[in-house]
This record gives sequence, structure tokens and C-alpha cells, in this order.
Amino acid sequence: AAGVIQSPRHLIKEKRETATLKCYPIPRHDTVYWYQQGPGQDPQFLISFYEKMQSDKGSIPDRFSAQQFSDYHSELNMSSLELGDSALYFCASSLGGSGANVLTFGAGSRLTVL
Amino acid sequence: AQSVAQPEDQVNVAEGNPLTVKCTYSVSGNPYLFWYVQYPNRGLQFLLKYITGDNLVKGSYGFEAEFNKSQTSFHLKKPSALVSDSALYFCAVSSASGGSYIPTFGRGTSLIVHP
Repeated sequence: AAGVIQSPRHLIKEKRETATLKCYPIPRHDTVYWYQQGPGQDPQFLISFYEKMQSDKGSIPDRFSAQQFSDYHSELNMSSLELGDSALYFCASSLGGSGANVLTFGAGSRLTVL
Repeated sequence: AQSVAQPEDQVNVAEGNPLTVKCTYSVSGNPYLFWYVQYPNRGLQFLLKYITGDNLVKGSYGFEAEFNKSQTSFHLKKPSALVSDSALYFCAVSSASGGSYIPTFGRGTSLIVHP
């Protein structure tokens, strides 16, 4: 079965550079979530989209932005990167925006900022 | 704000013994509760969830969890641990009403099953 696809899997950037992460949700899933997981930390919710519209916002820095496109894939754009942005970034998708929904996660994109 | 506490960073158990991974939660209204498992360099995988009804929930790979409303707990259990169960386990909560539908995760508990 198709899963949530994230790219790139690994990314190395310098401070103050920009980075873009991509996420392709499971077909027919209408909700996409982005989480950030620092080393040894719990996944922190960043932002979500339902039917291509931003639906909820968590602890996403102003330097970050995200959008969901007409084909339902989503991109997380990160600018003016800081050392503290080094983390594993997960995308997840679900069918519907209910709290009862199970999230299906991608394998994550590991960002290292030097 | 909703939150999850997993009081143990690590749980060690011998293969064949029962295991318990603890989770307590705080949420507005009734909770939806989840357990996810994460293997190295992989995304979180769903194990089981509590929505409503029977307090004992059975999930994948022989895992089960018991919802206790009075203690606001949702501990993960398995009668007989396998070495292959060694992984990072995350408890999550979302709100059925009055709070956020976005799952909030705990810090995770590393389960180590010794042969």
C-alpha cells in the first residue's frame, strides 16, 4: 500500500540558508500535518492543512512557512536556518480532520544545520 | 492545553516477561488516546487507539492498553515481550470535544527487551 512519502530524507545546510521539505500524503487523505522532532524530544506539532487550506497552527517559527498544493502534496519552507532547527521533520496524513483519526507518518526528513 | 506524560525514559524487560509502558494525560473534555511505535530512522507507526467504549483496547502485535478515566492513564501492555518489540513508544492524546483535535505526543519511552 502507498505510504506517506517525504523528500529529501537527509539534508545538510549552513546557518542562514533556506531549506524546503516535501511531503506526498496517502492518496485520498485530505489532511496533512507537519511535526518537528528534536534529538531525544517528543514530536512537536508545527502546522496542518485540510483540503489545501491551513487548518491549525502550532509552534511553527515565523521563519517557516508551509502550503498544500492542488495535488495535495505539501511543502515546508524554512528560511534563515539556525542550529536549533536541526531535527527530524515528520509529515503525516489522515482522512478527515477529527481527533479520532489515525495519523500515518512518513519516514521523516532529517535536517542538519551546520 | 492538552499534554501527555510518559514518566519513564526507558523500560527494560526480559524476553517472555510482561511489559508495561506508562502514560498519563491531560485534556479538555473526553480524550482520544493513541499509542505509536517508532523504530530507528522510521516514522511513527500506529499501534492502537481508544475512542470510546471498552476500556481495554487491543492493537497490533499483541499489544493492548487500558484506559482509566479516574487516573487519566492509558498504559500500554503486552503479556509476553519479544526482542523485536524493542523500540521507542509514544503516547498521544487529542480532544473529542472542547480541545484540540491535533494529537499531542509524549516524550517517548524507549523499550529494551533483553534476550
